[in-house]
Amino acid sequence: ETGVTQSPTHLIKTRGQQVTLRCSSQSGHNTVSWYQQALGQGPQFIFQYYREEENGRGNFPPRFSGLQFPNYSSELNVNALELDDSALYLCASSDRDRYNSPLHFGNGTRLTVT
Amino acid sequence: SQKIEQNSEALNIQEGKTATLTCNYTNYSPAYLQWYRQDPGRGPVFLLLIRENEKEKRKERLKVTFDTTLKQSLFHITASQPADSATYLCALGDNFNTFYFGSGTKLNVKP
Repeated sequence: ETGVTQSPTHLIKTRGQQVTLRCSSQSGHNTVSWYQQALGQGPQFIFQYYREEENGRGNFPPRFSGLQFPNYSSELNVNALELDDSALYLCASSDRDRYNSPLHFGNGTRLTVT
Repeated sequence: SQKIEQNSEALNIQEGKTATLTCNYTNYSPAYLQWYRQDPGRGPVFLLLIRENEKEKRKERLKVTFDTTLKQSLFHITASQPADSATYLCALGDNFNTFYFGSGTKLNVKP
């Protein structure tokens, strides 16, 4: 069973730039959720993709967007980066067709915006 | 919007004692609640799940209670060990597998 992998592990960008983060979900999982975790805080829900459709969104502006591919891998795109976007971005996969399926997290991408 | 509160102060306990962590929530009726463990630089790892119609769940040294009237969950680690030192997160879930996390409580178990 392959776990959730995220790339890159670290990234430094300049304010105003755009970034794409990638996530490979665990085999057998059809749902990917993205979270933003600031230092010392809990993960904040950005959005969820189920079978390639966005299916739920947290309180994040439209410059946060995503995609899910037929193999259930996913991308998170952030446009017009701001300093406050500096955080750990976590991807989690699950099987939404299985009731109460827990989230399986990757180890995240650490984004620093300067 | 939902609010999930966990004690932001670190919990320091002696090895062998029982650690009890609290999760309180408002403005939400979760279908279920989960607890996760997070080590520095790593993603959270699932520990236990409890449904809204369950009062208590156990797994080895772990116990979770869920009181939907008080809107509170308690997470217990019995016979704690230094290896249990980590940040513990509670997460409220709906029927669409969407989860909202608390800010976590850091547990330090001293030998």
